[in-house]
Formats: sequence, structure tokens, C-alpha cells
Amino acid sequence: GAVVSQHPSRVICKSGTSVKIECRSLDFQATTMFWYRQFPKQSLMLMATSNEGSKATYEQGVEKDKFLINHASLTLSTLTVTSAHPEDSSFYICSARAREYNSPLHFGNGTRLTVT
Amino acid sequence: AQTVTQSQPEMSVQEAETVTLSCTYDTSESDYYLFWYKQPPSRQMILVIRQEAYKQQNATENRFSVNFQKAAKSFSLKISDSQLGDAAMYFCAYRSALNYGGSQGNLIFGKGTKLSVKP
Repeated sequence: GAVVSQHPSRVICKSGTSVKIECRSLDFQATTMFWYRQFPKQSLMLMATSNEGSKATYEQGVEKDKFLINHASLTLSTLTVTSAHPEDSSFYICSARAREYNSPLHFGNGTRLTVT
Repeated sequence: AQTVTQSQPEMSVQEAETVTLSCTYDTSESDYYLFWYKQPPSRQMILVIRQEAYKQQNATENRFSVNFQKAAKSFSLKISDSQLGDAAMYFCAYRSALNYGGSQGNLIFGKGTKLSVKP
């Protein structure tokens, strides 16, 4: 089946630094990718939707200047957490689908971000 | 906007027994998909079962089956012959089937139910 690779799986960074998380589709062209955030013992909340070659669409309350999303190719989307703060510590998960609207969604394994 | 509600934060079942997890949703759309995802401690999202709203027949996948009541907007998951490996967070999710109002086809999740399986 389709595979989405998310890297890194864990990252620890200091406050004020930036962290980049990659989401790659390995065997299909991911026209659309979704970035979710999950706090401990909570559900997945959609942060933003990115389409290849276009600017990402952010959900209400998500700072686009803090969470930079780039979807420059059909196999790669990146989420950069800029000037990270401890409150940005969370679990981030990407999912991707192919061009057809009803294509299945495939999830990455997630990234545990800890900001010290 | 669509919403998904899981009213059971935690559930417990004895190994080999049957358990049912509840999910209700709200939507004005007629075409959509419903899902149950399992998230074990590894945090990997695993698709358990999927239901197309236009299908009256309830989906089944081995020990997992759903009771889909479209009029009541209810979508419960039944796990039969529960196994220790079934212990996880279970999320009910909704997805529009058509590009309503600019929807990109993302999943809308409920808050989850933590299932424990007792040996």
C-alpha cells in the first residue's frame, strides 16, 4: 500500500530555534497534504492544508508565520516551526492524498517535538 | 461545519468479549465517508474500518464491524473477541465525499475513546 514517510520521528530543540519536519509520499503523487497537531490525550486537530505548488490554507487560530508549510513537489511537504517555544511541544502528523478528491488518506508516523 | 462526537472517553473490555464504541456526527451533507482509526501507543494512525454513507450495508473487517444509522447520524464500532492488541485510542472520523465549500477532503476527528483490554 501507499506509504508516507515522516521525518524526524522525534526532535528536541531549544527555545527560539526553528525545526523542520518532512512528509514524503514514497509511491504516489501527493497533490494534497494535511498537517495535524495532537496534544497529549487529545484528538488530531487540523492545522493546515497544502496543495502542491500553492500556498497552504491554514485553519483558524493557526499562525501561518510560525508554522511555515512548503509543498514544492508532488512528493514532499515540509512544516517548519519557527522560533519555537515550549508551548509548541506536541505531536505533529501529516497525511497525504493523491489528486483524486476521494483518494484514500495515508498517514505519516508522526513527529514528537519537544522544545526546551 | 461538520462535527464528530465520541461520548465515551474511556472503555474497558475483558479479553475475548465484545465491546461497542459510540460515535455520532453532525452534517448537512448527503455524501460522505466515516472511519474508525486506531492509535496505539506508537501514535501511528491505523485505519480500522471505513463506511460510505450511500451504502446501507454495514462495513465489516474481520472482528470489527460498524452499526451505521444514517438518519440518526450514528456510527458505532463493535469489536468482537477482543484481544490485548486491540488496546489503543480509537478515533471516529468524518470526511466529505465531494468538494463542498472548498473542502480538501481532510478528516474531522472525534475526541477519541481509550480502550483497555483486561486479560
